[in-house]
Amino acid sequence: EPEVTQTPSHQVTQMGQEVILRCVPISNHLYFYWYRQILGQKVEFLVSFYNNEISEKSEIFDDQFSVERPDGSNFTLKIRSTKLEDSAMYFCASGINYGYTFGSGTRLTVV
Amino acid sequence: GENVEQHPSTLSVQEGDSAVIKCTYSDSASNYFPWYKQELGKGPQLIIDIRSNVGEKKDQRIAVTLNKTAKHFSLHITETQPEDSAVYFCAAKSDYKLSFGAGTTVTVRA
Repeated sequence: EPEVTQTPSHQVTQMGQEVILRCVPISNHLYFYWYRQILGQKVEFLVSFYNNEISEKSEIFDDQFSVERPDGSNFTLKIRSTKLEDSAMYFCASGINYGYTFGSGTRLTVV
Repeated sequence: GENVEQHPSTLSVQEGDSAVIKCTYSDSASNYFPWYKQELGKGPQLIIDIRSNVGEKKDQRIAVTLNKTAKHFSLHITETQPEDSAVYFCAAKSDYKLSFGAGTTVTVRA
């Protein structure tokens, strides 16, 4: 069964550093998403991406965040200057219209 | 925006019994309601979903019901087994995003 692949599985970074989280969505999917989950809390929407542009973003997705689909297969989330409160699991998801498939996530730890 | 409430937050059932999780949503424009199962250290995995033009859907031991008028939907797991132990999330889709409930930790006692 097709999968959404995320790398790395775990990333530790110093506060203030930039991080890039990578995702390879399912190949025929058209919609791409980033969500995050702070430990023990609900899954929160960050951003959706369709037709090479952001279609919707949450208030969490401020100027420190950006997304890119650089080569038609990868989908990346960049955090420019990480803060302690950015520590969370970050999930990428992709879909056609309904039925999103989630990746296994990247655990980001900001120290 | 959409607000999804989920109850209960924890649920302990005896193996073989049924488990029911309930969710309400606020945005009447929401048209798609998936349920996800999340095991420790893994991403949410879709287990069943329902669209707004359907009232009920069943897949083996799992069923979902939707009441659009009351804006609530429920997950029913029958004949629970130890491998059903996990965190379950409901979600509602409006526009381009899914909004999740807070999750229900289900423990199936052997």
